[in-house]
Parts: sequence; structure tokens; C-alpha cells
Amino acid sequence: AQKVTQAQTEISVVEKEDVTLDCVYETRDTTYYLFWYKQPPSGELVFLIRRNSFDEQNEISGRYSWNFQKSTSSFNFTITASQVVDSAVYFCALVLYNQGGKLIFGQGTELSVKP
Amino acid sequence: DVKVTQSSRYLVKRTGEKVFLECVQDMDHENMFWYRQDPGLGLRLIYFSYDVKMKEKGDIPEGYSVSREKKERFSLILESASTNQTSMYLCASSPRPVGTYEQYFGPGTRLTVT
Repeated sequence: AQKVTQAQTEISVVEKEDVTLDCVYETRDTTYYLFWYKQPPSGELVFLIRRNSFDEQNEISGRYSWNFQKSTSSFNFTITASQVVDSAVYFCALVLYNQGGKLIFGQGTELSVKP
Repeated sequence: DVKVTQSSRYLVKRTGEKVFLECVQDMDHENMFWYRQDPGLGLRLIYFSYDVKMKEKGDIPEGYSVSREKKERFSLILESASTNQTSMYLCASSPRPVGTYEQYFGPGTRLTVT
């Protein structure tokens, strides 16, 4: 079965705290891509990162970092020193090459950062 | 910047009406997608298209159809709207090959069927 699970439905933190959003995926494919998207209150999904299955290097972009571990089928997202503007729904997604490249989304994690 | 626009941000329709949701992208992308978003379910793919006049069913195509007569435009049609089609509808586009590149999303249309 191809599936993405974001077990955390809602997370609430206080500004400047670090927060990690979990993503666990299932696929039998050996070649796949994983994505993170942010959906702010305005509603438009914003692309954050793409990672292919052959590249397990962690990535850092400013306050954002991603930890990809094939051994545990996880692709977790950490925000360091969170800010109110980080409040949004975050989606993890998996692309299936054997099904025409469909994106399979997780249920999303709603992050609330309070001042 | 890639721009994906959707014809309406909010729409209210009556049960049984035929509803058209329009999506236009300005980056010459081959691939276009329609999703619906419901609380607790994430985004679910309704239909997608790899090229003009081509369409493929997604996970939940029942009650919907699509039209792609021009490369930049992808329309979602609710043949006879029902209350269980009340949802947020999101359109997206991406270049080929499908899956390699990120999808660019429009702002969404919140449809209410009464």
C-alpha cells in the first residue's frame, strides 16, 4: 500500500520554540520523491522541499531543516526558533512513479505558533 | 513566478446545479491536477491531465468530469452538485516529467452546495 501518515493533527508551540513535524511513508517503489508543502491561512499551498529516494542527505534552509531516513521511512521537518508566521497547515506528500506520478498527501499537521 | 489562478475563491451553489470550476496556469506546464481538500483527509486527487484533451482519473472521480481544450486551462465540472461535494477545491500544475517537479497550486475555491 502507498501511504503517507502525519500522526500529529495539531501542534501548538510558543514563539522561539523548536518544533518537529513527523512524516512516515509507505511504498514498495525504489524510486520516489517526497515533498513538503505549507498551507498558510490564505489557502494556497506553497512548495517547501523535494527529496528523491536516492538522496538521504539532510537539508537545511534557514530555520527549516529536513531529516530523511529510508531505514525508518520517515521524512521529518523541523522549524527552529518558530515564529508566528510559521502558523499554517503542513503537508507531506509522496510521488508514485508506477501510478503516473500521482501525489499522495498526508492528512496534514496544523501548526499554531503563539506569541 | 508561476501563476495558477482559479476562477472563484468562494462559490455557493444549489443541489442539482451544474458547476464549473476553472483553472488557468501561465507557465506552459503540461500537467494539471484537480484536488479536493477536506478536514482530516488531506488532499485527494480527483482528475489529472498530461496534455491537451487528455485526462486520467484520480482517486475520487465519481460525480466529477474535466475538460482540457487548451494547454493552460483545466476545468472541473460537477455534473449535478450534491451536498457531499461541499469542499475546498485546489488546482495545480507542473512541468514534465510528472512527479519529478513540484506542483504549483492555485489559491483554491471553497464550494458550498446547499
